[in-house]
Amino acid sequence: GALVYQYPRRTICKSGTSMRMECQAVGFQATSVAWYRQSPQKTFELIALSTVNSAIKYEQNFTQEKFPISHPNLSFSSMTVLNAYLEDRGLYLCGARRDWGNQDTQYFGPGTRLLVL
Amino acid sequence: TQTVSQSDAHVTVFEGDSVELRCNYSYGGSIYLSWYIQHHGHGLQFLLKYYSGNPVVQGVNGFEAEFSKSDSSFHLRKASVHWSDSAVYFCAVRGTGGYKVVFGSGTRLLVSP
Repeated sequence: GALVYQYPRRTICKSGTSMRMECQAVGFQATSVAWYRQSPQKTFELIALSTVNSAIKYEQNFTQEKFPISHPNLSFSSMTVLNAYLEDRGLYLCGARRDWGNQDTQYFGPGTRLLVL
Repeated sequence: TQTVSQSDAHVTVFEGDSVELRCNYSYGGSIYLSWYIQHHGHGLQFLLKYYSGNPVVQGVNGFEAEFSKSDSSFHLRKASVHWSDSAVYFCAVRGTGGYKVVFGSGTRLLVSP
């Protein structure tokens, strides 16, 4: 079956430091990977969309300078939260899209929960 | 612009009751509609998806949702809830061929024993 793993599941970092999180698609080739953030008591916001061999597209309020993403192949993506502060805490979700036939499905990982002290 | 509206922030029912969680969307094109569940402290778990065909789709754990083009709705239902169904439920929409999933604000379901 198709699964998406994220690592680490939980992490704590000091204010002003950086933290890298990983996303792995297993059992399928992900045509795109999207990173979302859920801030406390809120819904999920799209940070950026990464498609292999295309430029990574960041949503408004999110930048490459703050959230650099690496997407080297069809099964792996990583994102770093640089210079993390309190407002960066939350659950970071990776969604990997699988194309099959005339449909596609987006699978989400369990998320990386970031706590900033 | 895609928007998803979940009008009820909180819904409380008793175990064994039926429940309907409301979702309305706005999008000018062909879409996928999905429901996800998030238990406290966890990530998103897929419940069901609609793309085309029968407007009533069955999901896991006895959940179903009905698509209505005329009402621009995709309400989630369950005939008899269990206390373990207590969680936050998110409705989501994505354009076919598109990549961005837009989530609603979520509905917190509390099932009392």
